[in-house]
Amino acid sequence: DAGVIQSPRHEVTEMGQEVTLRCKPISGHNSLFWYRQTMMRGLELLIYFNNNVPIDDSGMPEDRFSAKMPNASFSTLKIQPSEPRDSAVYFCASSRTGFSTDTQYFGPGTRLTVL
Amino acid sequence: ELKVEQNPLFLSMQEGKNYTIYCNYSTTSDRLYWYRQDPGKSLESLFVLLSNGAVKQEGRLMASLDTKARLSTLHITAAVHDLSATYFCAVESNNNDMRFGAGTRLTVKP
Repeated sequence: DAGVIQSPRHEVTEMGQEVTLRCKPISGHNSLFWYRQTMMRGLELLIYFNNNVPIDDSGMPEDRFSAKMPNASFSTLKIQPSEPRDSAVYFCASSRTGFSTDTQYFGPGTRLTVL
Repeated sequence: ELKVEQNPLFLSMQEGKNYTIYCNYSTTSDRLYWYRQDPGKSLESLFVLLSNGAVKQEGRLMASLDTKARLSTLHITAAVHDLSATYFCAVESNNNDMRFGAGTRLTVKP
C-alpha cells in the first residue's frame, strides 16, 4: 500500500496568492483529516471528513481556508488569499472508520512557506 | 475551552532506564490519543485510549487513561535509543473538540 500521499511536498508562495494542498488517502479508508503544525501553535486539527462529508471544521482558522473531498480518494485544502502566518507543515491523515475507534495513518506533510 | 498539558516538555534519559510522560487535560473526555514524531518527519499513531482505565502496550511503551483524574500516562520501560522522538498526546472532548499537547521531546542517551 502506498500510504497517504500528499502533494506538493514543499510550496513557497507570496502573500495574497492562492495555495492548494492535495491529499490521497489510503484506499478503503473512510475518514480523512487535515492538521497543521507550527512552532508557535503546535499541532492543530483543522477539519475531518467521514465518507467524504465534512464532520467537524471548527478548527479551520478563518474563511480564507476551505477544504473539499469530492470523492473517496482525493481531498484538497485551499488557502485564498495566503498570508505569512499560514506558513506551516500541513499533514493529511486517513483512517478506516474515524477518530475514536481507529488508527490514523499520516502523510509526509506539505511544508508551506508564504513570503 | 479544552486545555491539554504535557510534562515534561524535554526529557533526557539513559538507555535502560524507565520514565513516564504525563498528559493532563481540563474537560470531560474519554478519548485520548498518543502520537510519535521523529525529527523532520510525519506523525505516527501509537495508542487510542477510549475508556477509563484503558491500558495499551506496544513494545517498551505503555499508555493508560484515568478519566476521573483527567490524566493519561505514557510509560517507557528500559529505554533504547530508537525511542528518541517527540511524543504528543491529544484529547477529544465530549463535544468533539480536539487539542494536542505541546509534545515531549525525548532523547535517549547510550
